[in-house]
Amino acid sequence: DTAVSQTPKYLVTQMGNDKSIKCEQNLGHDTMYWYKQDSKKFLKIMFSYNNKELIINETVPNRFSPKSPDKAHLNLHINSLELGDSAVYFCASSQGIGGGGANEQFFGPGTRLTVL
Amino acid sequence: KQEVTQIPAALSVPEGENLVLNCSFTDSAIYNLQWFRQDPGKGLTSLLLIQSSQREQTSGRLNASLDKSSGRSTLYIAASQPGDSATYLCAVRPGSMRFGAGTRLTVKP
Repeated sequence: DTAVSQTPKYLVTQMGNDKSIKCEQNLGHDTMYWYKQDSKKFLKIMFSYNNKELIINETVPNRFSPKSPDKAHLNLHINSLELGDSAVYFCASSQGIGGGGANEQFFGPGTRLTVL
Repeated sequence: KQEVTQIPAALSVPEGENLVLNCSFTDSAIYNLQWFRQDPGKGLTSLLLIQSSQREQTSGRLNASLDKSSGRSTLYIAASQPGDSATYLCAVRPGSMRFGAGTRLTVKP
């Protein structure tokens, strides 16, 4: 049973296109996240949602729009894709947003986005 | 702003050795610290989470320590195996999770 799943696993597209990445978690968690891992393998938080509400937006361009239809899903839509958007995007979830042990973050397998 | 540094960037050891990976952070006001491993082309697997009130956590051959006052954590791997080869990442919270750049570990048979 996959805890945090993402689709697609690979995405190759042209500059200027609009694309979406989907994320689902079956852990019953309240909080979900999107991270970007660039070519230097550095991971950075992009967004965090708690109970379908946006709680963290780390100065991400407004071409990126997360959508959380319910607590189990957090999708990422990207408009007008640019070359610099090429990266691996990871979804994650945790029970809550506090610092306790129950709020350990679990990651999906990643979506490798390549913009040509 | 919280900055997380991991040293060394890469480490190669023969099988069976005990080893220590280091993680340091600039702001000691953290909620927790989490260690992950990432295999090439794969996602992150959570290894250990240490809450700010704790000093260490253990799981099998792994032991992670936390010294908040000095802004440091170590991940100790006992009796290393080739299957331990991966990139190890540490990350701290509060607020957004901040990651280090990782230590790429290679365990040679």
